[in-house]
Amino acid sequence: GAGVSQSPSNKVTEKGKDVELRCDPISGHTALYWYRQSLGQGLEFLIYFQGNSAPDKSGLPSDRFSAERTGGSVSTLTIQRTQQEDSAVYLCASSLARGHWETQYFGPGTRLLVL
Amino acid sequence: AQKITQTQPGMFVQEKEAVTLDCTYDTSDQSYGLFWYKQPSSGEMIFLIYQGSYDEQNATEGRYSLNFQKARKSANLVISASQLGDSAMYFCAMREGSNFGNEKLTFGTGTRLTIIP
Repeated sequence: GAGVSQSPSNKVTEKGKDVELRCDPISGHTALYWYRQSLGQGLEFLIYFQGNSAPDKSGLPSDRFSAERTGGSVSTLTIQRTQQEDSAVYLCASSLARGHWETQYFGPGTRLLVL
Repeated sequence: AQKITQTQPGMFVQEKEAVTLDCTYDTSDQSYGLFWYKQPSSGEMIFLIYQGSYDEQNATEGRYSLNFQKARKSANLVISASQLGDSAMYFCAMREGSNFGNEKLTFGTGTRLTIIP
């Protein structure tokens, strides 16, 4: 079946511009996560959505970052007034979240470069 | 303190040999889960294996096994009979707590494994 998809694959933007990154989770998965991977680093948690519950935003690095999940499916991560330090790969993952330890399946990521 | 520590930035292993990738973790929770992911040069994160803190048996998935030593707080990944396609970054990750809703993963900095023909 189809995995997690993300768009765009690559995004180059100028400092100060806003960007939107899209994630389409695996069909039927109720949990959705965003992570950021800076060059040569591990993944850093950003935000988590589970069903209709309030999202866990504890990983968002600043108020320039926000995310929505409409209809319990597709999610959009928005970065306003981008800065060069926002350059990274943004990875989305989804899981069934039926129990405590459901495996998260990752998308291919969006490579963001802020000039 | 780092929650997940991977002390081997890079490793070179001869093809067909077994390799152990180290991972130590730090948590005060009694209930937690440990994961290993593989990230090839394409960038996708591929789930390999999972170990729950209450699991008495070490997890195995094909050529992958997890050497779980709870008292030492280590969860090393063992790859048997390595193949050229195993060349990639490998990340250890942990999910803490048993409350539904605390699902985020904390990742280590990774180990870059290169298999030599």
